[in-house]
Amino acid sequence: SYEVTQPPSVSVSPGQTASITCSGDKLGDKYACWYQQKPGQSPVLVIYQDKKRPSGIPERFSGSKSGNTATLTIRGTQVLDEADYYCQAWDYSAHVVFGGGTKLTVL
Amino acid sequence: QLQLQESGSGLVKPSQTLSLTCAVSGGSISSGGYSWSWIRQPPGKALEWIGYFYQSGNTYYNPSLKSRVTISVDRSKNQFSLNLSSVTAADTAVYYCARDLDGSGSYWSYWGQGTLVTVSS
Repeated sequence: SYEVTQPPSVSVSPGQTASITCSGDKLGDKYACWYQQKPGQSPVLVIYQDKKRPSGIPERFSGSKSGNTATLTIRGTQVLDEADYYCQAWDYSAHVVFGGGTKLTVL
Repeated sequence: QLQLQESGSGLVKPSQTLSLTCAVSGGSISSGGYSWSWIRQPPGKALEWIGYFYQSGNTYYNPSLKSRVTISVDRSKNQFSLNLSSVTAADTAVYYCARDLDGSGSYWSYWGQGTLVTVSS
């Protein structure tokens, strides 16, 4: 079955740039999106179609993809950005898969 | 403002069928060409896509769950349901219903609050 892989954890200092990667075979042929999830809350979509940002999501969140690796970048990371982040890959053949999640620590 | 609310049994015995409903308010399931999905999250673990359907009626399931899952729609009540048969402890999870952002792809921007279902005798 298809899988995408994320690092289990990433740490960043406040004000610095955090990067979270998502890699998978043939991810280049699919779309990636990213969700933020804080404890006890439902996920929030922060990036879709590789690099688009939904309305209401701060500009410090950005997405990119190169080859089979998608990257979520948070510039000027704030303490309130501390959360779990999930990558999700999908394509028009109804193949949907979530990554294992990355715990972002801001300290 | 679109809102989704999950409901159903919070405790299911092994081998039985898990049944949940997602009530939609602030928008119609029957319009807009959106995909409506079920997604789950075992305690302390990652999200897992279960399946989704479109207004057109096309329904798609996670291959790993396909033999046990049915998603159905009640347009008169503006709600959709999940049935998962032959459950085991591995099906214990928070179950979310969700709708996609713009009808153009499988990325979900509207989520219910989630409901915890425990499989235990």
